[in-house]
Amino acid sequence: SAVISQKPSRDICQRGTSLTIQCQVDSQVTMMFWYRQQPGQSLTLIATANQGSEATYESGFVIDKFPISRPNLTFSTLTVSNMSPEDSSIYLCSGHAGVGIQYFGAGTRLSVL
Amino acid sequence: GESVGLHLPTLSVQEGDNSIINCAYSNSASDYFIWYKQESGKGPQFIIDIRSNMDKRQGQRVTVLLNKTVKHLSLQIAATQPGDSAVYFCAETAGGYQKVTFGTGTKLQVIP
Repeated sequence: SAVISQKPSRDICQRGTSLTIQCQVDSQVTMMFWYRQQPGQSLTLIATANQGSEATYESGFVIDKFPISRPNLTFSTLTVSNMSPEDSSIYLCSGHAGVGIQYFGAGTRLSVL
Repeated sequence: GESVGLHLPTLSVQEGDNSIINCAYSNSASDYFIWYKQESGKGPQFIIDIRSNMDKRQGQRVTVLLNKTVKHLSLQIAATQPGDSAVYFCAETAGGYQKVTFGTGTKLQVIP
C-alpha cells in the first residue's frame, strides 16, 4: 500500500489568485492522478501527472488553468490558477499501486470567495 | 463518453443486516472493476476488485458480483456495522488498467 499526504488540507482563497496543492507519496508509484470532487458528487479526473514530462489532461481541463508538476516518482503539485468561485471543490491526488488500485490523499477543500 | 453509474443514491440499512449496493456500467470494453469506500472528510479507500473473467469475489464481509450480460455489478456487505457508513463508489477501467472512471456513488447509512 501507499500513504498519500496532501497539503494544504483546506484553504479559503480570493478570486483571481492561485493555489498550489502538494501531494507526497511515501513510496514510489508508477502513476499519479489529480481529481476534482464537488461535495456529494463523484470524482472527476483532471489529469495524469507524468514524471519528467507534461501532464496528460482530460477533456475540459487545460494546462493553463491547472498546471501540474511531477519532478520525481513520489511528489506532485497541482496549481489552480486565476481562481473563481466555480473552482470551489475538493481536490484529490492519488497514486497508482497496481491494476486499477489507487491510493488517495485526504483531499484539499478549496473555497474561493 | 461511456460512464459508470449507480441505481440508488442513498441506502439506509439496519445495523446487523446485509447491504447491497448496485452499479451499472456502460463501457463494454471495461475489464476490471473496483469498489471504493469514502468516509466523510477522507479520500476514497480501496475495498475490493474483480476482473471481467470472474463473476464473484469475496473479501472480509464483502462480496462483489459481476454480471457482464447486463453490465451490472454489486457490492454486498454482510452484517453491516456503523463503521460501514460512507459513500461507496464503483469504478471501472479498461485496457491500460491505470485510468479509472468513477461511478456516481451511493451513500450508505447504518441505523443503530
